[in-house]
Amino acid sequence: DGGITQSPKYLFRKEGQNVTLSCEQNLNHDAMYWYRQDPGQGLRLIYYSQIVNDFQKGDIAEGYSVSREKKESFPLTVTSAQKNPTAFYLCASSEGQRNSPLHFGNGTRLTVT
Amino acid sequence: AQSVSQHNHHVILSEAASLELGCNYSYGGTVNLFWYVQYPGQHLQLLLKYFSGDPLVKGIKGFEAEFIKSKFSFNLRKPSVQWSDTAEYFCAVYLSGGYNKLIFGAGTRLAVHP
Repeated sequence: DGGITQSPKYLFRKEGQNVTLSCEQNLNHDAMYWYRQDPGQGLRLIYYSQIVNDFQKGDIAEGYSVSREKKESFPLTVTSAQKNPTAFYLCASSEGQRNSPLHFGNGTRLTVT
Repeated sequence: AQSVSQHNHHVILSEAASLELGCNYSYGGTVNLFWYVQYPGQHLQLLLKYFSGDPLVKGIKGFEAEFIKSKFSFNLRKPSVQWSDTAEYFCAVYLSGGYNKLIFGAGTRLAVHP
């Protein structure tokens, strides 16, 4: 079945460590997105990529980095510069046209202590 | 800055009551509009979308939404809710004109009591 796989489901890290969240899709979608979901704030866009080897900052990119070396993969690194990294992270993909709906993964809950 | 506002953060209804969830956006360019739903324990899924044409769009499970361009609104409605509609609902707006990104509102948590 086609879909988006995020791993791991739960992730725990010590403060000061970088951590990379995985996102893989086999839908052959051009566009991929990373959102952060916090209670009462909805989904906020971190980074997005319309094509391979290209990506743009979203609304809250500070303290995060991404790469898009392959169409299927869009990993997100949460760096030690991110002041409040504990959150639920959602990856999504779409065909890339403006009317294309997003397909979401099941998310990764990151806890930093 | 572009933004999406959902007016109600929590809504509690009894079964068979009518539902209307507000959504307004701030962007003067071309938009595509979406409502997503997240049922308890499940991932986000598309409820309906507006691209062009008839501003009244119908989605799954009896939901509909109306795009009123002059009011920058895209409110979600359902005439008679069911217990199974208990979920969190997110309005989303795709910004064209060089932005090419999808932004979400803060969400509305709906609880339907039998």
